[in-house]
Amino acid sequence: DAGVIQSPRHEVTEMGQEVTLRCKPISGHDYLFWYRQTMMRGLELLIYFNNNVPIDDSGMPEDRFSAKMPNASFSTLKIQPSEPRDSAVYFCASRRGTAVTANTGELFFGEGSRLTVL
Amino acid sequence: AQTVTQSQPEMSVQEAETVTLSCTYDTSESNYYLFWYKQPPSRQMILVIRQEAYKQQNATENRFSVNFQKAAKSFSLKISDSQLGDTAMYFCAFRSQGAQKLVFGQGTRLTINP
Repeated sequence: DAGVIQSPRHEVTEMGQEVTLRCKPISGHDYLFWYRQTMMRGLELLIYFNNNVPIDDSGMPEDRFSAKMPNASFSTLKIQPSEPRDSAVYFCASRRGTAVTANTGELFFGEGSRLTVL
Repeated sequence: AQTVTQSQPEMSVQEAETVTLSCTYDTSESNYYLFWYKQPPSRQMILVIRQEAYKQQNATENRFSVNFQKAAKSFSLKISDSQLGDTAMYFCAFRSQGAQKLVFGQGTRLTINP
């Protein structure tokens, strides 16, 4: 089975530009998570979805960030307008619901999108 | 809120040696799950090992094993016969049984020297 697929792998943009990161979760996974990784703050959860519905977006830094999941196989994280402090690696991860027997809730990660805002 | 602490920012050992990475966590719950993830230079996060808090037996996966001390809230990772390919960032993570998200520690950068 294919893993979590993210695009682009690298993005370099200028301050003020719109950035869209994309994610295709593993088929059959009920949950999708967006994490941000920086040297200063480590791995931070931005938002997660259950069955395409946003459940907790308390980690989204501010209104410049938005995330959508229009269907079970696609999600986007958008930053508009982007700022240099948004430079980070953004990870998408997915997993099955924990109602599944013996499921400890292991997350499967994509390879991440490295964003650089100049 | 739960927190995860990894007190060793960096570690370095020689190939074939055994190394132990430390992790402590803070929670008031009794049922939860603990994980160690590896992040090699390729950047992708890979699950190394997992432990259910209700299990007393320490988890083992080939050369990787954990020392789970529930009362002390400690969850260390031991890598035996270390290999060059073990060079990576290692993250300890916690998930309470009723929650959906993983909380990660700050990571330990492990270097295996030839």
